[in-house]
Amino acid sequence: DGGITQSPKYLFRKEGQNVTLSCEQNLNHDAMYWYRQDPGQGLRLIYYSQIVNDFQKGDIAEGYSVSREKKESFPLTVTSAQKNPTAFYLCASSDRDRYNEQFFGPGTRLTVL
Amino acid sequence: RKEVEQDPGPFNVPEGATVAFNCTYSNSASQSFFWYRQDCRKEPKLLMSVYSSGNEDGRFTAQLNRASQYISLLIRDSKLSDSATYLCVVFQYNQGGKLIFGQGTELSVKP
Repeated sequence: DGGITQSPKYLFRKEGQNVTLSCEQNLNHDAMYWYRQDPGQGLRLIYYSQIVNDFQKGDIAEGYSVSREKKESFPLTVTSAQKNPTAFYLCASSDRDRYNEQFFGPGTRLTVL
Repeated sequence: RKEVEQDPGPFNVPEGATVAFNCTYSNSASQSFFWYRQDCRKEPKLLMSVYSSGNEDGRFTAQLNRASQYISLLIRDSKLSDSATYLCVVFQYNQGGKLIFGQGTELSVKP
């Protein structure tokens, strides 16, 4: 089955620790995205990548980093510089030139203790 | 001002009711429009695209008014399974192909 997987589903971390969230897709999509969702709010774009080895900051990139070494994978690192990291993180992907048709993974819920 | 604003919820309606959600967007360069559905603690899923001529998918009708920068979603004969949060989403190609999400309106359909 084609789709997007994110792991882990739930993640707990101590303050001051970096943590990496995984996102993998087998849809052969060129573009991948990371969003953050806080309670009662819409999704906000953290980073996106339209091609391997290239990525762009979204609206709330501070305290986050990404890499895009493979087409299938777009891991997100939440660093200790991110002031309020507790949130629901969603990864998405889309075909090149069909950026308006994004498919979402099941999300990772990160809680900082 | 938020780029995409939706009716504040939640909407609590009985089964069989008709419910309408409203959404406004601020950037006239927005090019595509969508309604997504998000179940509790799950990822958003595309419900339907919204076209200027209006479009219908079963019990769901979406309308777009570009002049007023207004989008709506009408659900007729609501079912218990319609309970979810509905997200209004606009697409702006000139910002790197970006989806911009409203904050969502929660719907709860009661028996």
